[in-house]
Amino acid sequence: GIQVEQSPPDLILQEGANSTLRCNFSDSVNNLQWFHQNPWGQLINLFYIPSGTKQNGRLSATTVATERYSLLYISSSQTTDSGVYFCAVEVGQGGKLIFGQGTELSVKP
Amino acid sequence: GAVVSQHPSRVICKSGTSVKIECRSLDFQATTMFWYRQFPKQSLMLMATSNEGSKATYEQGVEKDKFLINHASLTLSTLTVTSAHPEDSSFYICSASGKTKTNPSTDTQYFGPGTRLTVL
Repeated sequence: GIQVEQSPPDLILQEGANSTLRCNFSDSVNNLQWFHQNPWGQLINLFYIPSGTKQNGRLSATTVATERYSLLYISSSQTTDSGVYFCAVEVGQGGKLIFGQGTELSVKP
Repeated sequence: GAVVSQHPSRVICKSGTSVKIECRSLDFQATTMFWYRQFPKQSLMLMATSNEGSKATYEQGVEKDKFLINHASLTLSTLTVTSAHPEDSSFYICSASGKTKTNPSTDTQYFGPGTRLTVL
């Protein structure tokens, strides 16, 4: 089956710093999503981004489908950005999502 | 945005008992619901896909007799962990997919808050 790999696995930042999270996938996908999982476990959808670039405030994402990777940019990080960031790819029919292993981000004040 | 609820949020049970977890889409009709399991410090693993009125489709390695899924209506799916054992302790997350007021033209997937199961 398709492989989804995220890097780095862990990241520690000082508040105000910028960061880039990467997601590589091994096959063509219907869609790609980025999620933030907060400390209580709730998944928050950040972007639906099968291709191209989107921006939402301090966050932006770019997916290059032909090269099978996606990047999530976090600028001017805040302590509330801490948590685990997952990318997930949609394969086949019916919306099935395959998740990467996540990047655990810790933003220090 | 659309709301998906799970009940209970946390459950502790004795080994050998069965536990039922409910997943509800509160403000839209979910044609498909998904069940995931997440162990500590790990990713979400899809367990099964359920469509209203039909049998669930289980992922490879997931025991269908162990994890019973019922999708009785367009707003409710249940996961029953039968004869639970300590190794079933995990965070169970559902998601519901359907057309919402915010996204009326395409099916969008929304995640519930999760249920933390501890089997003693």
